[in-house]
Amino acid sequence: KNQVEQSPQSLIILEGKNCTLQCNYTVSPFSNLRWYKQDTGRGPVSLTIMTFSENTKSNGRYTATLDADTKQSSLHITASQLSDSASYICVVSAIFRMDSSYKLIFGSGTRLLVRP
Amino acid sequence: DGGITQSPKYLFRKEGQNVTLSCEQNLNHDAMYWYRQDPGQGLRLIYYSQIVNDFQKGDIAEGYSVSREKKESFPLTVTSAQKNPTAFYLCASSATPGHQTKNIQYFGAGTRLSVL
Repeated sequence: KNQVEQSPQSLIILEGKNCTLQCNYTVSPFSNLRWYKQDTGRGPVSLTIMTFSENTKSNGRYTATLDADTKQSSLHITASQLSDSASYICVVSAIFRMDSSYKLIFGSGTRLLVRP
Repeated sequence: DGGITQSPKYLFRKEGQNVTLSCEQNLNHDAMYWYRQDPGQGLRLIYYSQIVNDFQKGDIAEGYSVSREKKESFPLTVTSAQKNPTAFYLCASSATPGHQTKNIQYFGAGTRLSVL
């Protein structure tokens, strides 16, 4: 069964600290992995997209890593800011080569709260 | 929210009533999507459209209907057959209907639907 599991469910850190969010997936066949940031009451916004051949990708203070062998990804946030408070969603794309259809499988997200 | 406008922001439905959620995009994107988001769960695909006058069922299409008469518009109707409609509904669009890493989905700000 195609699944995306994220941990922790929620996290509280102090402003200025670093944190790492985890994403494990059992999606096959794998196409790419995406991280989104979703502010409360808003739509998700794309942070990074990685294929199986990419180990790491950065977007400002956000750095995503991917280990396609162990089917794990992480999102590292450096020098956190109050505006980083949001849910972070891991999304894995599966491509079905027989008919070229594809499917996005969404994790349930990690809710991050950054406190002053 | 990347040129995607959802309305209304909040919507209340009475028993037995059909309600329609609006989604308009000015990004000239071919593909549009409707997702449902429930607390503690990942986004689930309701319907998607790859081109005008064509749409496909997603994973949870029962109790919903859509139309795609114009490229920029993809309204979602929540019918009385949907017995548990309370959720946060997100509309998204992408330049092309594909899994490629360049194919980023842009989301609207969402509509929160509640049952009276």
